[in-house]
Amino acid sequence: AQSVTQPDIHITVSEGASLELRCNYSYGATPYLFWYVQSPGQGLQLLLKYFSGDTLVQGIKGFEAEFKRSQSSFNLRKPSVHWSDAAEYFCAVGAVGNTGKLIFGQGTTLQVKP
Amino acid sequence: NAGVTQTPKFRVLKTGQSMTLLCAQDMNHEYMYWYRQDPGMGLRLIHYSVGEGTTAKGEVPDGYNVSRLKKQNFLLGLESAAPSQTSVYFCASSRITTGELFFGEGSRLTVL
Repeated sequence: AQSVTQPDIHITVSEGASLELRCNYSYGATPYLFWYVQSPGQGLQLLLKYFSGDTLVQGIKGFEAEFKRSQSSFNLRKPSVHWSDAAEYFCAVGAVGNTGKLIFGQGTTLQVKP
Repeated sequence: NAGVTQTPKFRVLKTGQSMTLLCAQDMNHEYMYWYRQDPGMGLRLIHYSVGEGTTAKGEVPDGYNVSRLKKQNFLLGLESAAPSQTSVYFCASSRITTGELFFGEGSRLTVL
């Protein structure tokens, strides 16, 4: 079955500390992978995406993610977290030619301590 | 620079009432989607459309109907609302080639 798992429901980090949010997927076809961020009361905004090529992708707001096919993972990282990064983060997977449908993980809520 | 616009943003219904959520996009995107977001469950696809006049079921379609009479609009209808349909509903659109979804700000629906 196709699925996305974000093992951490809630993460708290101190401002300035590094961050890694985990994402594991199960998908039969060659996957497209995405990370979205949702601020309270807002819609989802794309942080970054992986389609092919270099497995380390850079996104907006200083985020990056690494695709590891052998581990079926697409973890999101940031070297130094800012208070404004507090939000909910969603990993999603789709496939080429699959009508653009995405399967989303359950989300990880990030809290940033001053 | 509107992008994807959803109306209404908030609505309270009584069980059995009907309503329609409207989604409009001004990016000339071919694909459009309706998702619902519930705590701890991420986003689940209700229905989607790959073009004007076509719709298809997603993961959780029961109790909902959709229509896409114009390319820029995608309507989500609840014919007889139930408390289980209390949720935040998101509309999204995308181009065929990019896979990136652009989301509206959401519509919060409460069914009493």
